[in-house]
Amino acid sequence: EPEVTQTPSHQVTQMGQEVILRCVPISNHLYFYWYRQILGQKVEFLVSFYNNEISEKSEIFDDQFSVERPDGSNFTLKIRSTKLEDSAMYFCASLTFEKLFFGSGTQLSVL
Amino acid sequence: GESVGLHLPTLSVQEGDNSIINCAYSNSASDYFIWYKQESGKGPQFIIDIRSNMDKRQGQRVTVLLNKTVKHLSLQIAATQPGDSAVYFCAETISGGGADGLTFGKGTHLIIQP
Repeated sequence: EPEVTQTPSHQVTQMGQEVILRCVPISNHLYFYWYRQILGQKVEFLVSFYNNEISEKSEIFDDQFSVERPDGSNFTLKIRSTKLEDSAMYFCASLTFEKLFFGSGTQLSVL
Repeated sequence: GESVGLHLPTLSVQEGDNSIINCAYSNSASDYFIWYKQESGKGPQFIIDIRSNMDKRQGQRVTVLLNKTVKHLSLQIAATQPGDSAVYFCAETISGGGADGLTFGKGTHLIIQP
């Protein structure tokens, strides 16, 4: 069964450093998403991406965040200057027929 | 503001018993609801969905019930197995709004005891 894959599974970084989280969505899906989940809290929407551009973004997705689809398969989330509060699990997802398929996530720890 | 929430943070059931996980929603405009299962260290996994034109929908060992009058959603899992141990959360949205409009609940941790 096709699945969304994310790398790395864990990322530890120093505050102020840049991180790039990588995702390979399911190949025939057209809508891509990033969500985050702070430990013990709800899954929160960050950004959606369609047709090579951002279609929606939340208040969390400020100027420190960016997304890119550099080629036909990868979908990346970049955080330019990480803050302690960016520590969370970040999930990539792709959508077909209103069904979201999530990756296993990247656990980001900012020290 | 509008919110999706769960009544119980933790539910413990004996293996083989049935379990019921509840969810309340407050956005009366929502017409599409989804239950997700999240196992430790994994991403949320789609279990079952229901649209507001239905009251009940059944899957394999799972049933979702929707009561629009009281804005309540439940997930019933029949004959629970150890593999059912996970956090379950509901999500709501308005059809056509895409996944951007999905509002997730916090989750109920289902524990299956042997």
